[in-house]
Amino acid sequence: GIQVEQSPPDLILQEGANSTLRCNFSDSVNNLQWFHQNPWGQLINLFYIPSGTKQNGRLSATTVATERYSLLYISSSQTTDSGVYFCAVSRFTGTASKLTFGTGTRLQVTL
Amino acid sequence: KAGVTQTPRYLIKTRGQQVTLSCSPISGHRSVSWYQQTPGQGLQFLFEYFSETQRNKGNFPGRFSGRQFSNSRSEMNVSTLELGDSALYLCASSLDGREQYFGPGTRLTVT
Repeated sequence: GIQVEQSPPDLILQEGANSTLRCNFSDSVNNLQWFHQNPWGQLINLFYIPSGTKQNGRLSATTVATERYSLLYISSSQTTDSGVYFCAVSRFTGTASKLTFGTGTRLQVTL
Repeated sequence: KAGVTQTPRYLIKTRGQQVTLSCSPISGHRSVSWYQQTPGQGLQFLFEYFSETQRNKGNFPGRFSGRQFSNSRSEMNVSTLELGDSALYLCASSLDGREQYFGPGTRLTVT
C-alpha cells in the first residue's frame, strides 16, 4: 500500500512564527487532504488539495503530485494552531476510497 | 448544513462484550467510511460503505463489521471486545468518495 511520511514529527514554535510541514508519499495519488486534529479528537478539514496551491487565511498548501509531496504552510502562528496535523492520501478509483494517513506533526505554539 | 454526527461519544465496555457505534453522514453524502485511531497504530481504515454496499475493507479481523442503511446512516459493530480495541473510532462521509469530512468520534474504552 501507499506509505505516507510526515515531517517533522514534533514542532515547537513561538507565537507569530511561521512553519512548513511536509508530507511525502510513496506512490501516485489523486486525493490528498490536510487535517488538524483538535484536542477532543475531531479531524478538521484544512485543505483538499490533490494538486496545485490553495490558501485559506494564514494557512496555505501546495501539492506537487508528480514529485509525490505536499507542503502545509502556517504563517503568524497562534496558540490555537496547536495540535496534530495529518496528511492523508488515496488513489480514488471511482468505485472505492480509502485514506492512508501519515503519522502526523504535533505542533505546539507557545506565548 | 449539519456535519457528521456520531453516537455515542464515549463508551466503556468490558472484554468479551460487543458494541455498536452509529454515524449519520452529511445530508446528501452517500459514502461513509470508518477509521480507528490508537496511539500505537495511528489512524487506520476499517471499511467504506456506498449506497448500502461495502466497497472497501481494511485489514481488521472479522469481529469488526458494519452496515449502511437506505438513509446513508451507518453502524459499525465490534464483537467479543478485546483490550486492544480501545480506541477513538472516527466516521467520515463523502459525496463521492473523494473529499472526506469527519465526525467528532466515539471514544471506546475496553476494561
